[in-house]
Amino acid sequence: DTAVSQTPKYLVTQMGNDKSIKCEQNLGHDTMYWYKQDSKKFLKIMFSYNNKELIINETVPNRFSPKSPDKAHLNLHINSLELGDSAVYFCASSQAEGTEAFFGQGTRLTVV
Amino acid sequence: QQQVKQSPQSLIVQKGGISIINCAYENTAFDYFPWYQQFPGKGPALLIAIRPDVSEKKEGRFTISFNKSAKQFSLHIMDSQPGDSATYFCAASIRGSNYKLTFGKGTLLTVNP
Repeated sequence: DTAVSQTPKYLVTQMGNDKSIKCEQNLGHDTMYWYKQDSKKFLKIMFSYNNKELIINETVPNRFSPKSPDKAHLNLHINSLELGDSAVYFCASSQAEGTEAFFGQGTRLTVV
Repeated sequence: QQQVKQSPQSLIVQKGGISIINCAYENTAFDYFPWYQQFPGKGPALLIAIRPDVSEKKEGRFTISFNKSAKQFSLHIMDSQPGDSATYFCAASIRGSNYKLTFGKGTLLTVNP
């Protein structure tokens, strides 16, 4: 029973397209995140939501728009995809500050 | 500005040896220091974590050593096994920072049989 699941696992798309990545957690956590891992494996937070409310937005281009319909789901929509958006995107969740963050398996986005 | 500096970038150890990965931080407000382990094609998973009120924490073969005055912490893997081969990330966060984890750049550990 997967704790944090994201779909799709792989996404290949052309420049200029719009795409979405979905994330769901069944841990009952209040906080969810999107992280970006670049080709050098550097992990950087993009967004975090607490109880459906945006609490962190780390200077991400506004082509990226997270949406949290409920506290178990956090989706990421990306408009006008660019080559530089190619990366692995991880969804994560945690119950409280300073506690374990559980990561999904990642979505490898390739923009061609 | 890189707030958490991790070294080495890569590490090769023989089976049974000790693997040591170091991290240094700049912001003295950090008060939670986890280590994450990531296998290829998987998301990072929490390995062990420490808070600055203790200098060492041990869980099985994994130990975190924490030096508050030097603003450094390290991960020691005793009796390293080929199954430990993975990328390891140190991280830090600040209470009241809205759960934000700042990661080091990662260390690729290879344990040779």
